[in-house]
Amino acid sequence: DAKTTQPPSMDCAEGRAANLPCNHSTISGNEYVYWYRQIHSQGPQYIIHGLKNNETNEMASLIITEDRKSSTLILPHATLRDTAVYYCAYNYQLIWGAGTKLIIKP
Amino acid sequence: ETGVTQSPTHLIKTRGQQVTLRCSSQSGHNTVSWYQQALGQGPQFIFQYYREEENGRGNFPPRFSGLQFPNYSSELNVNALELDDSALYLCASSLDGGGGPQYFGPGTRLLVL
Repeated sequence: DAKTTQPPSMDCAEGRAANLPCNHSTISGNEYVYWYRQIHSQGPQYIIHGLKNNETNEMASLIITEDRKSSTLILPHATLRDTAVYYCAYNYQLIWGAGTKLIIKP
Repeated sequence: ETGVTQSPTHLIKTRGQQVTLRCSSQSGHNTVSWYQQALGQGPQFIFQYYREEENGRGNFPPRFSGLQFPNYSSELNVNALELDDSALYLCASSLDGGGGPQYFGPGTRLLVL
Protein backbone atom coordinates (compact mmCIF):
# COMPACT_ATOMS: atom_id res chain seq x y z
CA ASP A 1 0.00 0.00 0.00
CA ALA A 2 1.73 3.18 -1.17
CA LYS A 3 2.07 5.81 1.50
CA THR A 4 4.69 7.65 3.48
CA THR A 5 6.08 6.57 6.84
CA GLN A 6 6.94 9.03 9.59
CA PRO A 7 7.60 8.76 13.34
CA PRO A 8 4.33 9.45 15.17
CA SER A 9 5.80 12.10 17.46
CA MET A 10 8.94 14.12 18.16
CA ASP A 11 10.02 16.74 20.68
CA CYS A 12 12.39 19.62 20.04
CA ALA A 13 13.69 22.41 22.25
CA GLU A 14 12.79 25.96 21.28
CA GLY A 15 15.57 27.58 19.26
CA ARG A 16 17.08 24.28 18.16
CA ALA A 17 16.82 22.71 14.74
CA ALA A 18 13.99 20.23 14.25
CA ASN A 19 14.78 17.38 11.87
CA LEU A 20 11.75 15.41 10.70
CA PRO A 21 12.37 12.22 8.69
CA CYS A 22 10.08 10.62 6.13
CA ASN A 23 10.25 7.37 4.21
CA HIS A 24 8.67 7.30 0.76
CA SER A 25 10.20 4.16 -0.72
CA THR A 26 7.49 3.69 -3.38
CA ILE A 27 8.04 7.10 -4.97
CA SER A 28 8.53 7.17 -8.74
CA GLY A 29 11.27 9.02 -10.54
CA ASN A 30 9.23 12.01 -11.63
CA GLU A 31 7.18 12.49 -8.46
CA TYR A 32 7.83 15.41 -6.18
CA VAL A 33 8.12 15.22 -2.40
CA TYR A 34 5.99 17.74 -0.52
CA TRP A 35 5.90 18.78 3.11
CA TYR A 36 2.89 20.29 4.85
CA ARG A 37 1.94 21.03 8.41
CA GLN A 38 -1.46 21.13 10.07
CA ILE A 39 -2.44 22.94 13.23
CA HIS A 40 -5.60 22.03 15.16
CA SER A 41 -7.39 20.40 12.19
CA GLN A 42 -7.09 23.53 10.06
CA GLY A 43 -6.23 23.10 6.40
CA PRO A 44 -2.67 21.87 5.82
CA GLN A 45 -0.13 24.61 5.22
CA TYR A 46 2.39 24.14 2.41
CA ILE A 47 6.02 24.27 3.57
CA ILE A 48 8.35 23.12 0.79
CA HIS A 49 8.71 20.64 -2.05
CA GLY A 50 11.49 19.11 -4.14
CA LEU A 51 12.29 16.51 -6.78
CA LYS A 52 15.94 15.49 -6.51
CA ASN A 53 18.00 18.38 -5.21
CA ASN A 54 17.96 19.81 -1.72
CA GLU A 55 15.73 22.84 -1.37
CA THR A 56 15.57 25.78 1.02
CA ASN A 57 13.02 28.53 1.50
CA GLU A 58 12.17 31.02 4.23
CA MET A 59 10.42 28.37 6.30
CA ALA A 60 12.57 25.26 6.05
CA SER A 61 15.12 23.11 4.24
CA LEU A 62 14.42 19.81 2.49
CA ILE A 63 17.06 17.12 2.15
CA ILE A 64 16.24 14.27 -0.27
CA THR A 65 18.45 11.15 -0.34
CA GLU A 66 20.14 10.22 -3.59
CA ASP A 67 17.86 7.19 -4.10
CA ARG A 68 14.86 9.48 -3.33
CA LYS A 69 13.36 6.92 -0.96
CA SER A 70 13.52 9.20 2.04
CA SER A 71 13.74 12.86 2.95
CA THR A 72 14.23 15.11 5.96
CA LEU A 73 12.54 18.41 6.70
CA ILE A 74 14.67 20.79 8.74
CA LEU A 75 13.20 23.69 10.68
CA PRO A 76 16.42 25.59 11.50
CA HIS A 77 15.31 27.49 14.62
CA ALA A 78 12.11 25.99 15.99
CA THR A 79 9.66 28.25 17.82
CA LEU A 80 6.60 27.38 19.89
CA ARG A 81 4.42 28.28 16.90
CA ASP A 82 6.00 25.39 14.97
CA THR A 83 4.11 22.90 17.15
CA ALA A 84 1.93 21.03 14.64
CA VAL A 85 1.46 17.75 12.79
CA TYR A 86 3.92 17.56 9.90
CA TYR A 87 3.13 15.50 6.83
CA CYS A 88 5.29 14.45 3.93
CA ALA A 89 3.54 13.47 0.73
CA TYR A 90 4.38 12.63 -2.86
CA ASN A 91 2.75 12.48 -6.30
CA TYR A 92 0.38 15.09 -7.66
CA GLN A 93 -2.39 13.19 -5.86
CA LEU A 94 -0.50 13.77 -2.61
CA ILE A 95 -0.11 10.33 -1.12
CA TRP A 96 0.44 10.85 2.61
CA GLY A 97 0.89 8.94 5.82
CA ALA A 98 -0.23 9.67 9.36
CA GLY A 99 2.28 12.48 9.97
CA THR A 100 4.58 13.42 12.85
CA LYS A 101 3.28 15.39 15.80
CA LEU A 102 6.09 17.85 16.55
CA ILE A 103 6.06 19.45 19.98
CA ILE A 104 8.36 22.39 20.59
CA LYS A 105 9.26 22.76 24.25
CA PRO A 106 10.36 26.04 25.88
CA GLU B 1 -4.67 37.67 -3.48
CA THR B 2 -7.59 35.58 -2.16
CA GLY B 3 -6.79 32.17 -0.70
CA VAL B 4 -8.81 28.97 -0.97
CA THR B 5 -12.23 29.20 0.65
CA GLN B 6 -14.68 26.43 1.50
CA SER B 7 -18.31 26.36 2.54
CA PRO B 8 -19.93 25.47 4.78
CA THR B 9 -17.47 25.19 7.67
CA HIS B 10 -19.52 22.59 9.51
CA LEU B 11 -22.38 20.34 8.48
CA ILE B 12 -24.53 17.70 10.16
CA LYS B 13 -26.41 15.16 8.04
CA THR B 14 -28.16 11.87 8.63
CA ARG B 15 -27.32 8.55 7.04
CA GLY B 16 -28.70 8.23 3.51
CA GLN B 17 -28.84 11.95 2.81
CA GLN B 18 -26.87 13.80 0.14
CA VAL B 19 -24.43 16.67 0.68
CA THR B 20 -22.73 19.27 -1.52
CA LEU B 21 -19.52 20.98 -0.42
CA ARG B 22 -18.12 24.01 -2.19
CA CYS B 23 -14.65 25.34 -2.84
CA SER B 24 -13.31 28.52 -4.40
CA SER B 25 -9.79 28.19 -5.71
CA GLN B 26 -6.97 30.65 -5.14
CA SER B 27 -6.79 33.43 -7.70
CA GLY B 28 -4.95 32.27 -10.83
CA HIS B 29 -5.23 28.55 -10.07
CA ASN B 30 -6.98 26.22 -12.53
CA THR B 31 -6.77 22.94 -10.60
CA VAL B 32 -8.76 21.79 -7.60
CA SER B 33 -8.19 18.62 -5.58
CA TRP B 34 -10.43 17.18 -2.88
CA TYR B 35 -9.30 15.15 0.15
CA GLN B 36 -11.01 13.35 3.00
CA GLN B 37 -9.31 13.41 6.39
CA ALA B 38 -10.57 11.14 9.14
CA LEU B 39 -9.67 11.99 12.73
CA GLY B 40 -6.03 11.27 13.51
CA GLN B 41 -5.13 10.32 9.95
CA GLY B 42 -3.53 11.98 6.98
CA PRO B 43 -5.69 13.26 4.14
CA GLN B 44 -6.81 10.80 1.46
CA PHE B 45 -7.07 11.90 -2.16
CA ILE B 46 -10.61 11.79 -3.56
CA PHE B 47 -10.18 13.36 -7.02
CA GLN B 48 -8.69 16.28 -8.90
CA TYR B 49 -10.22 18.60 -11.50
CA TYR B 50 -8.09 20.43 -14.03
CA ARG B 51 -9.78 22.91 -16.37
CA GLU B 52 -13.22 21.40 -15.68
CA GLU B 53 -12.15 17.79 -16.40
CA GLU B 54 -11.48 15.04 -13.86
CA ASN B 55 -7.71 14.54 -13.73
CA GLY B 56 -7.31 11.56 -11.44
CA ARG B 57 -9.38 9.77 -8.83
CA GLY B 58 -8.51 7.99 -5.61
CA ASN B 59 -10.06 4.87 -4.14
CA PHE B 60 -13.51 6.31 -3.44
CA PRO B 61 -16.88 4.88 -4.59
CA PRO B 62 -18.95 6.53 -7.37
CA ARG B 63 -21.28 8.13 -4.82
CA PHE B 64 -18.46 10.66 -4.41
CA SER B 65 -18.69 12.95 -7.41
CA GLY B 66 -17.41 16.35 -8.33
CA LEU B 67 -17.64 19.26 -10.64
CA GLN B 68 -15.45 22.18 -11.63
CA PHE B 69 -16.92 25.36 -13.04
CA PRO B 70 -15.49 27.76 -15.70
CA ASN B 71 -14.26 30.07 -12.92
CA TYR B 72 -12.39 27.01 -11.51
CA SER B 73 -14.46 26.79 -8.34
CA SER B 74 -15.55 23.27 -7.50
CA GLU B 75 -18.15 21.14 -5.78
CA LEU B 76 -17.91 17.79 -4.05
CA ASN B 77 -21.13 15.80 -3.89
CA VAL B 78 -21.63 12.76 -1.72
CA ASN B 79 -24.77 10.66 -2.12
CA ALA B 80 -26.23 8.06 0.24
CA LEU B 81 -24.17 9.25 3.19
CA GLU B 82 -22.72 6.65 5.52
CA LEU B 83 -21.51 7.05 9.08
CA ASP B 84 -17.90 6.53 7.91
CA ASP B 85 -18.20 9.60 5.70
CA SER B 86 -17.86 11.73 8.83
CA ALA B 87 -14.58 13.56 8.30
CA LEU B 88 -12.87 16.84 7.46
CA TYR B 89 -13.16 17.48 3.71
CA LEU B 90 -10.32 19.53 2.32
CA CYS B 91 -10.08 21.35 -0.95
CA ALA B 92 -6.74 22.41 -2.42
CA SER B 93 -5.97 24.53 -5.44
CA SER B 94 -2.90 24.56 -7.64
CA LEU B 95 -1.70 25.52 -11.08
CA ASP B 96 -1.76 23.21 -14.11
CA GLY B 97 -2.41 19.82 -12.57
CA GLY B 98 0.60 18.08 -11.08
CA GLY B 99 4.06 19.23 -10.02
CA GLY B 100 3.52 22.43 -8.12
CA PRO B 101 2.38 22.83 -4.52
CA GLN B 102 -1.28 22.62 -3.56
CA TYR B 103 -2.76 25.25 -1.27
CA PHE B 104 -5.47 24.12 1.08
CA GLY B 105 -8.65 25.71 2.32
CA PRO B 106 -9.79 25.50 5.95
CA GLY B 107 -11.96 22.45 5.29
CA THR B 108 -15.57 21.45 5.89
CA ARG B 109 -16.24 19.23 8.87
CA LEU B 110 -19.03 16.79 8.07
CA LEU B 111 -20.77 14.75 10.74
CA VAL B 112 -23.10 11.96 9.64
CA LEU B 113 -25.52 10.68 12.27
